[in-house]
Amino acid sequence: QVQLQESGPGLVKPSETLSLTCTVSGDSMSSYYWSWIRQPPGKGLEWIGYIHYSGSTNYNPSLKSRVTIVLDTSKNQFSLKVNSVTAADTAVYYCARWKERLFDYWGQGTLVTVSS
Amino acid sequence: DIQMTQSPSSLSASVGDRVTITCRASQSISTYLNWYQQRPGKAPKLLIYAASSLQSGVPSRLSVSGSGTDFTLTITSLQPEDFTSYYCQQTYGAPYTFGQGTKLEI
Repeated sequence: QVQLQESGPGLVKPSETLSLTCTVSGDSMSSYYWSWIRQPPGKGLEWIGYIHYSGSTNYNPSLKSRVTIVLDTSKNQFSLKVNSVTAADTAVYYCARWKERLFDYWGQGTLVTVSS
Repeated sequence: DIQMTQSPSSLSASVGDRVTITCRASQSISTYLNWYQQRPGKAPKLLIYAASSLQSGVPSRLSVSGSGTDFTLTITSLQPEDFTSYYCQQTYGAPYTFGQGTKLEI
């Protein structure tokens, strides 16, 4: 059974960088795309981007200038960085596996609050 | 970006009722449409993919239809565990956008 677990600070100051890591267990990371999705409190879901095992990436244009997703296959992890955060980046952040045009496995999500 | 519009945003029903949720895309997405269920405080769970394929374990009281721009999710004989939120998502092209969600309330 594939499992994903997000980790990282729950509080980030405005203008700083949000950094999260997703640890994958139960399967190899090869052949799949690994994605980040976020959900502001009480609101809908927003796809942030994904990274393929090969290292290729695809980002949501609305966030592309501020987002980086990196893969560390030696640790079975992938990570998200969002630069220059504001209160609008406050959200639950989920990592998920993207396979054949669907998100089949998700992490439990982690709330990141942007506040001074 | 392809805009996904769900209706209604909220819906009140009773156990045993039949309800329909609609998802409309701003352009044709063929059958590149998924449906997710999300319980409070939990990650979304895939219910239906490619517009009409039920994920393993999804009860048959859920049915779907549609292609192009208009899609529906119908739940018959509502059970207590069905009263939660539902999201559609297009996978025709990046960015892979979601509808704003439908909250099904008892």
